[in-house]
Amino acid sequence: GESVGLHLPTLSVQEGDNSIINCAYSNSASDYFIWYKQESGKGPQFIIDIRSNMDKRQGQRVTVLLNKTVKHLSLQIAATQPGDSAVYFCAEKWTGRRALTFGSGTRLQVQP
Amino acid sequence: DGGITQSPKYLFRKEGQNVTLSCEQNLNHDAMYWYRQDPGQGLRLIYYSQIVNDFQKGDIAEGYSVSREKKESFPLTVTSAQKNPTAFYLCASSIGQGGNQPQHFGDGTRLSIL
Repeated sequence: GESVGLHLPTLSVQEGDNSIINCAYSNSASDYFIWYKQESGKGPQFIIDIRSNMDKRQGQRVTVLLNKTVKHLSLQIAATQPGDSAVYFCAEKWTGRRALTFGSGTRLQVQP
Repeated sequence: DGGITQSPKYLFRKEGQNVTLSCEQNLNHDAMYWYRQDPGQGLRLIYYSQIVNDFQKGDIAEGYSVSREKKESFPLTVTSAQKNPTAFYLCASSIGQGGNQPQHFGDGTRLSIL
């Protein structure tokens, strides 16, 4: 079936570098996408979202890029900090479905 | 502060026993959701409710039941029919009913089998 997936299960970066976390989706009917950060033992925390009529959206230190041609979503984190270490999930909402479908997650490790 | 409260944080179930996980929100959100998370995996949707007294099955509803008698509360019962209930359970809510808004999560309940 159609699902959300991630290219890299673990990403290790140096403190101060920029991080890019990628997500591939296969449902071309998805109309809403969202990124979450999850720390150990806690619930996911909303980072940023984007609708399918947009290509890019920026937040504080984060940018989400949506490429509908190749069905690719990415999260860019500028000047990565140790507090950014966590598991990051992308999720999509299929048109006509009122709930999110989550990917399996990427672990970001920030080296001091 | 507004938010989502899940209780208890840890729960143990005996074989053949039903257990109920609590989820309360004071965000005045219409929609509420229950997810299951297994180690090293993403979230899978169990049930969701767009409005009081209405709810729909998600992708893995077998062995679970829910109720939505009040806007702020969406309890999940893990029944004895759920043969592999050990997991981290997450409750979420969102302001709208269409699904195109961020879901806000509680800090979860970890359920284990004795």
